[in-house]
Amino acid sequence: EVQLVQSGAEVKKPGESLRISCKVSGYSFTTYWINWVRQMPGKGLEWIGRIDPRDSYTTYSPSFQGHVTISADGSINTAFLKWSSLQASDTAIYFCARRSDNWDFDYWGQGTLVTVSS
Amino acid sequence: DIQMTQSPSSLSASVGDRVTVTCRASLSIGSHLNWYQQKSGKAPKALIYAASALQSGVPSRFSGSGSGTDFTLTISNLQPEDFATYYCQQSYSTPWTFGQGTKVEIK
Repeated sequence: EVQLVQSGAEVKKPGESLRISCKVSGYSFTTYWINWVRQMPGKGLEWIGRIDPRDSYTTYSPSFQGHVTISADGSINTAFLKWSSLQASDTAIYFCARRSDNWDFDYWGQGTLVTVSS
Repeated sequence: DIQMTQSPSSLSASVGDRVTVTCRASLSIGSHLNWYQQKSGKAPKALIYAASALQSGVPSRFSGSGSGTDFTLTISNLQPEDFATYYCQQSYSTPWTFGQGTKVEIK
């Protein structure tokens, strides 16, 4: 069974750093790209970027480029989303999702709530 | 970026109704259009890929159509478990973009 299991909720202060994770199981980690998607409170879905776990090649949305970093560790079948300096506007639920051979996001993590508040 | 515009933003319907949600792309995306269902507090669920292909396990009352810039998601015989928010998403070019969502509520 394919599963994407994300790390737990986080509460941080502005300016702090954070890394959240997405651990996959049930398939070969290097076969499919992992994507990250943001959902701000009460709002829609926004694609942040993706990583190819085979070679760690990344692509970012211009809206997020430079503010977050996506990485992956094949030894533990885990993808990461990292901020070096959080802002209050980063408060949101973050989902990881696998891009399928059909180019849709066929499996999703359960989401990680990130709250940034002073 | 390719802009995806859904209509309506919300609708009220009754169990058994036929519901149609429209998604328009700001430029032609061929058939690179996907649909997702999201229930409150949950992760999105993939419904349809390549404009009209049903994901495994998705009930046949869901269907998708369209190509180019105009696409439609249809739910025939609406069931209680279908009340949710629906999103379209283009997979034609990065940054991949979503529509703003259509909330299907109980009348």
